[in-house]
Amino acid sequence: GDSVTQTEGPVTLSEGTSLTVNCSYETKQYPTLFWYVQYPGEGPQLLFKVPKANEKGSSRGFEATYNKEATSFHLQKASVQESDSAVYYCALRNMGYKLTFGTGTSLLVDP
Amino acid sequence: NAGVIQTPRHKVTGKGQEATLWCEPISGHSAVFWYRQTIVQGLEFLTYFRNQAPIDDSGMPKERFSAQMPNQSHSTLKIQSTQPQDSAVYLCASSSTVYEQYFGPGTRLTVL
Repeated sequence: GDSVTQTEGPVTLSEGTSLTVNCSYETKQYPTLFWYVQYPGEGPQLLFKVPKANEKGSSRGFEATYNKEATSFHLQKASVQESDSAVYYCALRNMGYKLTFGTGTSLLVDP
Repeated sequence: NAGVIQTPRHKVTGKGQEATLWCEPISGHSAVFWYRQTIVQGLEFLTYFRNQAPIDDSGMPKERFSAQMPNQSHSTLKIQSTQPQDSAVYLCASSSTVYEQYFGPGTRLTVL
């Protein structure tokens, strides 16, 4: 079946520093890739859908680039804010519509 | 738009009791998904309905778990004879498009 592996957490950063969360996947199909964010007491919410290979997707200052050859798609932000503290999940979806999530990366940003 | 509504937000049951979890999808959304979230297993897909019909239940445990969608405004997840290992946050999501699934806040089930 499908599997997704991402950077282990927790990650603690100072405000204004950069973030990279690595994500790789295994699947025999042609997936659609996503980044989700989850705040305490809430369900995951879509950060953005990662576009086709070698194109950048972005939302709220976060960017992701999909490397099809390496089957990886990494999340980056140049300057994190305290409000970015949350758990970030990479996920893939194949033809069946269900999402397969990574294990999540907890980010804590110190002010 | 109230988003996906899940009730109750918290449920505590004794071992062996039944638990029914409710989900009200966003009005007009044709697809409903159930996921389970635990510290150990993370976010796991359970089952999926489209236009009220069950499409994929490949993530549902074979025993004690069942899901229904009797009408377009709600879905239920029922767990019979609950066990401590069923303790988790159960998340419902709905979708009107191929891409975005909107998640509810979840129901935290604790089995004592």
